Amino acid sequence: EPEVTQTPSHQVTQMGQEVILRCVPISNHLYFYWYRQILGQKVEFLVSFYNNEISEKSEIFDDQFSVERPDGSNFTLKIRSTKLEDSAMYFCASGLAGGPETQYFGPGTRLTVL
Amino acid sequence: TQLLEQSPQFLSIQEGENLTVYCNSSSVFSSLQWYRQEPGEGPVLLVTVVTGGEVKKLKRLTFQFGDARKDSSLHITAAQPGDTGLYLCAGAKTSGSARQLTFGSGTQLTVLP
Repeated sequence: EPEVTQTPSHQVTQMGQEVILRCVPISNHLYFYWYRQILGQKVEFLVSFYNNEISEKSEIFDDQFSVERPDGSNFTLKIRSTKLEDSAMYFCASGLAGGPETQYFGPGTRLTVL
Repeated sequence: TQLLEQSPQFLSIQEGENLTVYCNSSSVFSSLQWYRQEPGEGPVLLVTVVTGGEVKKLKRLTFQFGDARKDSSLHITAAQPGDTGLYLCAGAKTSGSARQLTFGSGTQLTVLP
């Protein structure tokens, strides 16, 4: 069964460093998402991406964040200058165009900012 | 801001018992999804409900979407230890081209053998 994959599974970085989190969405999906989950808290929406541009973003998704679909398979989230409070699980999700808004989630990348 | 409240937050029951988990909001959602999440892993989709009043069954799990599309419930019949986990509801907003999901805080279910 097709699934969303994410790499790396765990990323440790120093405050102020740039990180890139990578995702391979399900191949025939056209909507792509990033969510994050701080330990012990709810899953929170960051950004949605469709037709090579951002569709919606939350207030969390500030100028330090960016997303890109550099080729036909990868979808990336970049944090330019990480802060301690960026430590969280980051989940990529993808969904089909049209119909119910079912989203399929990847296993997540645990980001630890020291 | 659309909020989803889940109850109960924690539930511990004996194997064989029935249980219901609730997901409530004052907002209308275009659809609602139920996920199960294990520690350190991503949410795994269980079901999507779209139509007000819709009922879907997955083996011993029954999902219902409220008539007004503001609330949902998950009922598990004859719970088993393998049902132990965090159950999340997530609603899709009714506007916009891509449907961001608003998640509830989850119900941690423990089924004791």
